Amino acid sequence: GESVGLHLPTLSVQEGDNSIINCAYSNSASDYFIWYKQESGKGPQFIIDIRSNMDKRQGQRVTVLLNKTVKHLSLQIAATQPGDSAVYFCADQTNNYGQNFVFGPGTRLSVLP
Amino acid sequence: DVKVTQSSRYLVKRTGEKVFLECVQDMDHENMFWYRQDPGLGLRLIYFSYDVKMKEKGDIPEGYSVSREKKERFSLILESASTNQTSMYLCASSDTSGTRGYNEQFFGPGTRLTVL
Repeated sequence: GESVGLHLPTLSVQEGDNSIINCAYSNSASDYFIWYKQESGKGPQFIIDIRSNMDKRQGQRVTVLLNKTVKHLSLQIAATQPGDSAVYFCADQTNNYGQNFVFGPGTRLSVLP
Repeated sequence: DVKVTQSSRYLVKRTGEKVFLECVQDMDHENMFWYRQDPGLGLRLIYFSYDVKMKEKGDIPEGYSVSREKKERFSLILESASTNQTSMYLCASSDTSGTRGYNEQFFGPGTRLTVL
């Protein structure tokens, strides 16, 4: 079956450095992707999304890159701050109307002082 | 701001008990979802509902049932709790607009259920 997964379960970065969190998906029909951030004790929060007709999308300090050829998604966080410490996971959806999302297991980002 | 609330943050129950987890959203969303979240497994869909009194099985419905009597409220029921149902339970809602059907999901804070 299809699955969405992450390359690394944990990632530690120095405060002020850039972070890159990766995601691999298996369904070539997926055409909509979301990154969520989940802080300790909270529910997931939407960060940024991208559709398959794009290969890059930027938000505030975050950039999502999509490589459909290798079915790879990444989240880049610029100038990582302590408040960025959280679990990040991706989710994908196919282009069938009403198709549910498939979520990856998540990567825990730790920001070191 | 969309707000999704869950009735309890932490819950401890005994094996065999009937457990109710309540979820309420205030944005008039058509769709509501129940997930469980376990380390290394990500979010797994238990049940979802796209309208009042409508429900659909997700990927892991066994041992669970749901109820949606009102649009804003979606309840998850464990008829007879078991230890393997110890988990974090997350509720989410989304609207249906555009051509995609299910759009971005907004999540509640989660209920951490422990079954002894």
